[in-house]
Amino acid sequence: DIQMTQSPSTLSASVGDRVTITCRASQSISSWLAWYQQKPGKAPKLLIYKASSLESGVPSRFSGSGSGTEFTLTISSLQPDDFATYYCQHYNIYPYTFGQGTKLEIK
Amino acid sequence: EVQLVESGGGLVKPGGSLRLSCAASGFTFNSYNMIWVRQAPGKGLEWVSSISSSSSYIYYADSMKGRFTISRDNAKNSLYLQMNSLRAEDTAVYYCARGAVAGGGYFDYWGQGTLVTVSS
Repeated sequence: DIQMTQSPSTLSASVGDRVTITCRASQSISSWLAWYQQKPGKAPKLLIYKASSLESGVPSRFSGSGSGTEFTLTISSLQPDDFATYYCQHYNIYPYTFGQGTKLEIK
Repeated sequence: EVQLVESGGGLVKPGGSLRLSCAASGFTFNSYNMIWVRQAPGKGLEWVSSISSSSSYIYYADSMKGRFTISRDNAKNSLYLQMNSLRAEDTAVYYCARGAVAGGGYFDYWGQGTLVTVSS
């Protein structure tokens, strides 16, 4: 199975900051990677698919990059609504797996 | 508007069974792959199972194989998860999700989840 490892596990930042979350795959997944945002008590929300494609309706301050085994999610200027937990997920081959999550906290 | 509404969760004893349902609306259900994802309390997301639009292809996470069965009824716009031989570690919120169009393996709409608690 392909393992997905996110870093950091927790990130403290302030409104207006630029932040980057990294996701590494244990083997190449080409660009078959998605990013989700989850707030407490809510379902996950799709942000990015195919590593860098922005889902419709998602603010342009979110961007994704990478291919192969290393990927990043960048938020260009943090807004109050962005404090949440972020997950990457590969869909290269079954079984699909998620990263362990990165909790973005207010500094 | 796409809506996915899960039901069927609850408290069950170890070794017991439960059947989850997901009612879909707002899209052409029989054109999309459907998925179950779970989240244990305070933990991350875990893919459980996927089923193709016509039920031709079904996949499970290793820890669920042989115990869980995914199915769908396209006439009723419904997705199901039959869970047998339940263990304490199956305690989680179970989400149904829609696979993105064109066979994308990512999930573009999610339900609100239903809580399954396995405890004596």
